[in-house]
Amino acid sequence: QSALTQPASVSGSPGQSITISCAGTSSDVGTYNYVSWYQQHPGKAPKLMIYDVTNRPSGVSNRFSGSKSGNTASLTISGLQAEDEADYYCSSYTSSSTLYVVFGGGTKLTVL
Amino acid sequence: QVQLVESGGGVVQPGGSLTLSCAASGFIFSSYGMHWVRQAPGKGLEWVAFIRYDGSKKFYADSVKGRFTISRDDSKNTLYVQMNSLRAEDTAVYYCAKDSSGVWGQGTLVTVSS
Repeated sequence: QSALTQPASVSGSPGQSITISCAGTSSDVGTYNYVSWYQQHPGKAPKLMIYDVTNRPSGVSNRFSGSKSGNTASLTISGLQAEDEADYYCSSYTSSSTLYVVFGGGTKLTVL
Repeated sequence: QVQLVESGGGVVQPGGSLTLSCAASGFIFSSYGMHWVRQAPGKGLEWVAFIRYDGSKKFYADSVKGRFTISRDDSKNTLYVQMNSLRAEDTAVYYCAKDSSGVWGQGTLVTVSS
């Protein structure tokens, strides 16, 4: 089973913007507008940051935004802050006969 | 408030069995599909299983198919996963999650070791 493909790590300085990509296929990201992004700090449960490609749950900073082009989704964080340092995971529903949801491998964001 | 609380984790020997529970509150449990997601130590998230709101369909990751069974008891607002023939690679924190929402439990640790 193939996970969605994310870069292992990204970094940026406070105040900068970064983008994390999430590459899928026409069976998942390319077909469904059900891409979600999760933030996870060490020892904590994942927190939903973006759902349905572009939507932010109530309480999530508008510094977080999502987009999709073809089979690749992206999470952009603007005005980086120290507390944004965490692991980020994308997920998507899939039409695979053997899966229902697929996750990306995760991206470690370091705020320099 | 909307809450999910997992329980049932622990240490089990390879080949053994364990059943995890996820108690739901603060929402109409019977109206939502539910997932199990796991995370091995130091690793990423792995989707494990899903059950539709009415229990009519269940989906499993290949890695657990035939060994894990997801179920629900709407009268108790509780989600379950029965895990048989456990392997070392099943060692992980197991989370339950409400479908199409950001609601996750705090997780319960399962360790498969002799």
